[in-house]
Amino acid sequence: GAGVSQSPRYKVAKRGQDVALRCDPISGHVSLFWYQQALGQGPEFLTYFQNEAQLDKSGLPSDRFFAERPEGSVSTLKIQRTQQEDSAVYLCASNNRVLGRNTGELFFGEGSRLTVL
Amino acid sequence: GNSVTQMEGPVTLSEEAFLTINCTYTATGYPSLFWYVQYPGEGLQLLLKATKADDKGSNKGFEATYRKETTSFHLEKGSVQVSDSAVYFCALSSSGYSTLTFGKGTMLLVSP
Repeated sequence: GAGVSQSPRYKVAKRGQDVALRCDPISGHVSLFWYQQALGQGPEFLTYFQNEAQLDKSGLPSDRFFAERPEGSVSTLKIQRTQQEDSAVYLCASNNRVLGRNTGELFFGEGSRLTVL
Repeated sequence: GNSVTQMEGPVTLSEEAFLTINCTYTATGYPSLFWYVQYPGEGLQLLLKATKADDKGSNKGFEATYRKETTSFHLEKGSVQVSDSAVYFCALSSSGYSTLTFGKGTMLLVSP
């Protein structure tokens, strides 16, 4: 596609529910990132994929958060047993650079806004 | 660890006014520096960047100079327009990695 596509754009979940957020990066982009943006804050790094390999998951806040990119294109961020503090916008970004030669120019999707009641 | 500090908003200006949004950083090594912008209802997009000391990034009339001695990357524009109203994020990435560290963002509101 022309840009990074994320779905759903808005998700309301009851506390304790599981949610799955999808990211469709720009075609051919090797690197894919997930960020979490709380209200009034800047995005914070969650995890990074190079093709299908998850090379960095140091930003995932707990073991309730899980991300995958099984075929090196579409990625899913799953949050189990959601809590109120998980309420945030989840941003996906991609580019065609590999780790070690990456300059930080990322193409972002519009984000998925998660509200946990 | 890496961190970015930028001035709190909102910054409210009249059209054609001069804009400065301050950004300072803490990082190991020699980071690349960025300004990203988020227009209402849209995703973050890169505005400009600088990859080494004394580099000046520029785009759409905006400029920022990488100052290693003051660890700063202030965003400036000589004459703002209503269409510049957005949230501006300063960010950095360490050498060879693209994991970005963002500031909290500064909202700019420009009135006619």
